[in-house]
Amino acid sequence: GENVEQHPSTLSVQEGDSAVIKCTYSDSASNYFPWYKQELGKGPQLIIDIRSNVGEKKDQRIAVTLNKTAKHFSLHITETQPEDSAVYFCAASGGRGSTLGRLYFGRGTQLTVWP
Amino acid sequence: ETGVTQTPRHLVMGMTNKKSLKCEQHLGHNAMYWYKQSAKKPLELMFVYNFKEQTENNSVPSRFSPECPNSSHLFLHLHTLQPEDSALYLCASSQDLGQRISGNTIYFGEGSWLTVV
Repeated sequence: GENVEQHPSTLSVQEGDSAVIKCTYSDSASNYFPWYKQELGKGPQLIIDIRSNVGEKKDQRIAVTLNKTAKHFSLHITETQPEDSAVYFCAASGGRGSTLGRLYFGRGTQLTVWP
Repeated sequence: ETGVTQTPRHLVMGMTNKKSLKCEQHLGHNAMYWYKQSAKKPLELMFVYNFKEQTENNSVPSRFSPECPNSSHLFLHLHTLQPEDSALYLCASSQDLGQRISGNTIYFGEGSWLTVV
């Protein structure tokens, strides 16, 4: 199956700075990469996703980039705000060795934005 | 409001109790999932149902028993649990299992916090 590695496990930034979280995946055929945000006491919420036919996708302050050759994808948050503080999970799916419909998750990044 | 509703949000049960977690999705989806989230561990997929049929059981102990009476409802029946089963149990749904070519967007509920004493 797919193996997804996520770094860093914790990230602290000052309000207004940018934050970058990186993930690598093992199955070169994986083609769908969502990112989830999980606030304290809540379930993971989908915030952005990218498919393998696209190299970059933006939605206001968040963007995701995908490098298929290197098998890594990254989440970029600009102009961070305290409410961005949460755990962020990356995931991958669609690879030849993976079960249809199954998402393979990274271990998560605890992002803290200091005012 | 995520479209996936889980009850109860918090549950404390003894090791000899029998309880159930309930999940309902209002998104018109056909696939539903149970995940377990423990501290310091990645999200663990437990069960997958597609059109009410179980398609995946990820080597889950038999003290966890899922039930999917229809595409909108999913239950997790709990019996003789252990303290190490204490965790956040997340229900999720998706339109179906998706296609390899297009991926599969999964939506989570808020979770049920389970404490086994």
